[in-house]
Amino acid sequence: NAGVTQTPKFRILKIGQSMTLQCTQDMNHNYMYWYRQDPGMGLKLIYYSVGAGITDKGEVPNGYNVSRSTTEDFPLRLELAAPSQTSVYFCASSEHALAGDNRDTQYFGPGTRLTVL
Amino acid sequence: DAKTTQPTSMDCAEGRAANLPCNHSTISGNEYVYWYRQIHSQGPQYIIHGLKNNETNEMASLIITEDRKSSTLILPHATLRDTAVYYCILRGSGNTPLVFGKGTRLSVIA
Repeated sequence: NAGVTQTPKFRILKIGQSMTLQCTQDMNHNYMYWYRQDPGMGLKLIYYSVGAGITDKGEVPNGYNVSRSTTEDFPLRLELAAPSQTSVYFCASSEHALAGDNRDTQYFGPGTRLTVL
Repeated sequence: DAKTTQPTSMDCAEGRAANLPCNHSTISGNEYVYWYRQIHSQGPQYIIHGLKNNETNEMASLIITEDRKSSTLILPHATLRDTAVYYCILRGSGNTPLVFGKGTRLSVIA
């Protein structure tokens, strides 16, 4: 049981380039999330999904796109990379999302460190 | 706007209890208190959560004051591996997101 896996671990992009950050979970979780974490700050929610085919915006969605064609995968697409997108990106999943339900624990991947120059 | 207030950093001697405070004076009746931690360069890890009652699990204890305006996370016997940033988060009932603040950087010292 690998949990949540993310690829790549590191990436350097030039301004204007595009890329896809991959996220896969093997826990059959319905809910998946993308966060970004800037240096010295907490995590900010970019997008989330409540199941295959359903996605919704979080706090900082601009400059990103997501899709959820399967339960396992939740890729994050960066179009026209900008220096402001230099950050560490974390993917997470949970079985449920209702606060107080013990099944709402979010399990995080190891992160992708992205630098845009 | 931050809904919780935590000290920026704390030190704790190895083997002693680490007590991490969190103020949430504007907490609503349906909001839970969650704690996650983030060890350097890793993704956050769930620790514990509670609504009104004190809670304990294999990782930690959570003490919530009777008026629910503050809480304390207790790591009973801190080890060097507990060095991390600890986040205190409020979540309303229903499908509400986790909102991370800056947390408390706990350093466990040998």
